[in-house]
Amino acid sequence: GQNIDQPTEMTATEGAIVQINCTYQTSGFNGLFWYQQHAGEAPTFLSYNVLDGLEEKGRFSSFLSRSKGYSYLLLKELQMKDSASYLCAAMDSNYQLIWGAGTKLIIKP
Amino acid sequence: NAGVTQTPKFRVLKTGQSMTLLCAQDMNHEYMYWYRQDPGMGLRLIHYSVGEGTTAKGEVPDGYNVSRLKKQNFLLGLESAAPSQTSVYFCASQTTEQETQYFGPGTRLLVL
Repeated sequence: GQNIDQPTEMTATEGAIVQINCTYQTSGFNGLFWYQQHAGEAPTFLSYNVLDGLEEKGRFSSFLSRSKGYSYLLLKELQMKDSASYLCAAMDSNYQLIWGAGTKLIIKP
Repeated sequence: NAGVTQTPKFRVLKTGQSMTLLCAQDMNHEYMYWYRQDPGMGLRLIHYSVGEGTTAKGEVPDGYNVSRLKKQNFLLGLESAAPSQTSVYFCASQTTEQETQYFGPGTRLLVL
């Protein structure tokens, strides 16, 4: 079957760095997406990886290892506004997104 | 550009009632999707459309119907609402199948 695993909740301190991990199993693979979702709002796109390696975009970076079925989202210089859920989604061979349940990130001052 | 909009934002239904959720996008996207989001679960695909006049079933289509008569609109219908359909419903659109999906603000539905 197809499956996405990510931690349910993480806590970090303002100004620190946090890494949110995601492992996936899909029928075929056409890329890995990360979305941010603030409470009561819609998911918004953060990053897309289809090749192995690290993609950096400002304070956020995303890493992919296709051979290990593994990705992580790295958030640096954490700010209070980064408190949100982070959704990992893998695109399968039919270009359908398989979504993880999300990681709720709590930032403490 | 309004992006993706959804109507209504919130609705309460009684078991057995019917309703239609409207999704509209002004980005000229071909692909449109309806998802539901429940606590502790990932987004689950209900139905999707790859172009005007086309629809297809997703992971959890039972109890729902859809129509895509115009490219910019994607309607989700509940024929006879059940408490199990209490959820937050998100519509999304994208240009082509491997591109980013853009989400609407969601519709919160409570079925009593």
